[in-house]
Amino acid sequence: GAGVSQSPSNKVTEKGKDVELRCDPISGHTALYWYRQSLGQGLEFLIYFQGNSAPDKSGLPSDRFSAERTGGSVSTLTIQRTQQEDSAVYLCASSPSQPEQYFGPGTRLTVT
Amino acid sequence: ILNVEQSPQSLHVQEGDSTNFTCSFPSSNFYALHWYRWETAKSPEALFVMTLNGDEKKKGRISATLNTKEGYSYLYIKGSQPEDSATYLCAFENYGGATNKLIFGTGTLLAVQP
Repeated sequence: GAGVSQSPSNKVTEKGKDVELRCDPISGHTALYWYRQSLGQGLEFLIYFQGNSAPDKSGLPSDRFSAERTGGSVSTLTIQRTQQEDSAVYLCASSPSQPEQYFGPGTRLTVT
Repeated sequence: ILNVEQSPQSLHVQEGDSTNFTCSFPSSNFYALHWYRWETAKSPEALFVMTLNGDEKKKGRISATLNTKEGYSYLYIKGSQPEDSATYLCAFENYGGATNKLIFGTGTLLAVQP
């Protein structure tokens, strides 16, 4: 069956450019999460959606990061004016209910 | 600050060896402990979700135990195979939050030599 998909799988961008990362959750999953893993670090929570609303944005590292979710389905994570420290693997997960979370394959972002 | 620690950071074993890893997590406000297996360029794959103190779960050659009072979980792999090579992540989920966000350790990288 279709799992969580993310695009692009790899993105190389120049410092200062904006990037958009996309997540397609499993159909019917109401909860959606974004995490990232920087080099040498554990997976770090960024933002949580329940439906289209984001009750927890506490993990977003700066105001350059934003995310939206439309139609209770696809989510886009946008990073404005990228910096080198934004280089990481960005993972999306969706969940039908507590506590399982199903992860996508991630987007590897490299900021040069 | 909620801290999840895993040890060892990496492990090299021979095919057929049995091995185990440790995950330490806060013992207060416990809701669930998750184990994931993450192969390079693939999605993290859920292995176990454990919620009760004393829980033991098994999937094939892999099993896990949980001690919520002292804040640790062990993951065991019996008779390691090269296809077991991956990063094993544990994640803590605390009670009382509306988010159910996972707090991850940095993982144990397992390499199984044929």
